[in-house]
Amino acid sequence: GAGVSQSPSNKVTEKGKDVELRCDPISGHTALYWYRQSLGQGLEFLIYFQGNSAPDKSGLPSDRFSAERTGGSVSTLTIQRTQQEDSAVYLCASSPTLNEKLFFGSGTQLSVL
Amino acid sequence: AQKVTQAQTEISVVEKEDVTLDCVYETRDTTYYLFWYKQPPSGELVFLIRRNSFDEQNEISGRYSWNFQKSTSSFNFTITASQVVDSAVYFCALSERGRGYKLSFGAGTTVTVRA
Repeated sequence: GAGVSQSPSNKVTEKGKDVELRCDPISGHTALYWYRQSLGQGLEFLIYFQGNSAPDKSGLPSDRFSAERTGGSVSTLTIQRTQQEDSAVYLCASSPTLNEKLFFGSGTQLSVL
Repeated sequence: AQKVTQAQTEISVVEKEDVTLDCVYETRDTTYYLFWYKQPPSGELVFLIRRNSFDEQNEISGRYSWNFQKSTSSFNFTITASQVVDSAVYFCALSERGRGYKLSFGAGTTVTVRA
């Protein structure tokens, strides 16, 4: 596709349930990022994938959060046992290489009831 | 630790007025990158500019211009002759060499341009 694609665009879940958020980066981009945007915390870095290197997971807020990137392309962010404080917009971005401009998707609005 | 401060929460102007968005940053690194992103109501963050710490030249792109001053750790953004389509949230961000993927964003400034 032309841009970064994220699905679903909206997700409503009950507290305690697991959710999976998907990101399809721009073809050929080796770097993929997840950020979270919430009213209280603003835009926060979560995790970074670069090629076949080990991802930098230092931004993940707890061990309930995990992410993987299969085949160097599609990425899935998984949140287990969701909590109300997980409610936010989860943004995925990709870039051709490091330190290049990031292309962001439209995000997944997650609401935990 | 790095930090980006956008002191202006909201700015409202009438069309054709100029508007300047302030951005002040803190970093211990000598090599770093500064960015501005625009987030329109659709929600998708759109890249506007990237500047590295060794390039203090000011830049102009159409109605947009940026003033980078290392002496005051500021990277301000001006929209000249604003238009309604400029209404959005604007974010300033900083990344350090070696961890260029970790953008530290400011809180954002909401710009509303009234017709």
